[in-house]
Amino acid sequence: KAGVTQTPRYLIKTRGQQVTLSCSPISGHRSVSWYQQTPGQGLQFLFEYFSETQRNKGNFPGRFSGRQFSNSRSEMNVSTLELGDSALYLCASSLARGAYVSVEQFFGPGTRLTVL
Amino acid sequence: KNEVEQSPQNLTAQEGEFITINCSYSVGISALHWLQQHPGGGIVSLFMLSSGKKKHGRLIATINIQEKHSSLHITASHPRDSAVYICAAAPSRNSGGSNYKLTFGKGTLLTVNP
Repeated sequence: KAGVTQTPRYLIKTRGQQVTLSCSPISGHRSVSWYQQTPGQGLQFLFEYFSETQRNKGNFPGRFSGRQFSNSRSEMNVSTLELGDSALYLCASSLARGAYVSVEQFFGPGTRLTVL
Repeated sequence: KNEVEQSPQNLTAQEGEFITINCSYSVGISALHWLQQHPGGGIVSLFMLSSGKKKHGRLIATINIQEKHSSLHITASHPRDSAVYICAAAPSRNSGGSNYKLTFGKGTLLTVNP
């Protein structure tokens, strides 16, 4: 089975622009979670999607949004980019059952976003 | 205070040494994850546990729910074990979270010298 794939792997943008990142989960996985990793804050949960619905959201401003398609692929969008948005953005997929059932998450390689 | 605390932040060992990384959490959890991140960013899930102990090769993870503490042990460490090890707590429903809203520790940078 192919693993989680993320595109693009690297991205350079300037302040004020917007960006869209893509994540393709492992075949059969219906849940996709997104995380931001920065040197200062470490890993932080952004949001989680299941069956095209956002099921959980972290403490990020509304500039961060996402969506999930019927084939479980997910995109996240960041509008009006700020310097502080420079980070590694990781997605993870899992065989979701209930929202309160613990399952292993499989991570993609990440997209490294640099905002100049 | 972070909800998930890891120690030590940095750890240097000689090949063959026994390694222990600790993780303490303050919220009720449904599961505790241990992750490994190599330079370049890729993250691999090592363990997910909610009680007791799990073993995979030279890696052992334990959790004490009452003490809200987990440890990751590496036996006979090797330079290829050099990586950042991160623990992450999946809050329980009673703690107001869901399995997917992970809270992460800051990570432990392990360097194993030959």
